[in-house]
Amino acid sequence: TQLLEQSPQFLSIQEGENLTVYCNSSSVFSSLQWYRQEPGEGPVLLVTVVTGGEVKKLKRLTFQFGDARKDSSLHITAAQPGDTGLYLCAGSGSSNTGKLIFGQGTTLQVKP
Amino acid sequence: DSGVTQTPKHLITATGQRVTLRCSPRSGDLSVYWYQQSLDQGLQFLIQYYNGEERAKGNILERFSAQQFPDLHSELNLSSLELGDSALYFCASSSQGWPGNTIYFGEGSWLTVV
Repeated sequence: TQLLEQSPQFLSIQEGENLTVYCNSSSVFSSLQWYRQEPGEGPVLLVTVVTGGEVKKLKRLTFQFGDARKDSSLHITAAQPGDTGLYLCAGSGSSNTGKLIFGQGTTLQVKP
Repeated sequence: DSGVTQTPKHLITATGQRVTLRCSPRSGDLSVYWYQQSLDQGLQFLIQYYNGEERAKGNILERFSAQQFPDLHSELNLSSLELGDSALYFCASSSQGWPGNTIYFGEGSWLTVV
C-alpha cells in the first residue's frame, strides 16, 4: 500500500517567515502534486512534478521532487497571511488510473 | 470555480438511511472521481469512472456504490448510513483518466449522520 506522510501537521508562523513542508514515502510515484485547500472548498492544484530532482517555482513557492521520486518538499519564502490554508501532497502511482494518494495535510497559519 | 458541480452541499440524515450525492464534471471531462475527507482519515480515494466505466476502486465500502451516466454526470449512493460515514465527500474530474492528468475538485457535499 502506498502511503504519503506529511510533516509538520500544523504550522503557525509570523508574516515574513520562511517555511518548508515535507512529503515522504517509501514508494515511488510517477508524479506528485501539491494542492491547497481553503475552508469550505475543494483542493486546488498548485503544481505537478514528474521528473526526479525537478524543481518548480510558483511566485514565493518552491516545489521539489526527490531524485528517487519518493519524496517532495514545498518551501514558502516570506509567508503572507493569504498563504494560510491546508496544503496537501498527492502521489500518482504507476497504475493506469488517475487515482491519487493524499498525505494527511499541513495546516498553515500565517499571522500578520 | 473549478467547473465541477456537486449537490447537495449539505445533508443531514439519520443512521440507517440512504442518500445520493450528485456530481456534474467539468465540460468535456471524461473521468470522474469520488473522494471522502474526514478529520481522522484525511482525503481517501473511493472510486474512479472513465466514460461510464469503472476505472479504479479504492477503500469504498460495500454499502457505497457509484455510477457514471451517459451524459457523464455521476452519483454516489451511500446506504445503511452509520455515524462514521459523516464526512465531506468530494467529486473531481479530469479530461482523461491517466496518471498526471490535472484533477479538478468540486466544493464537496457535507454529510452529517445523526
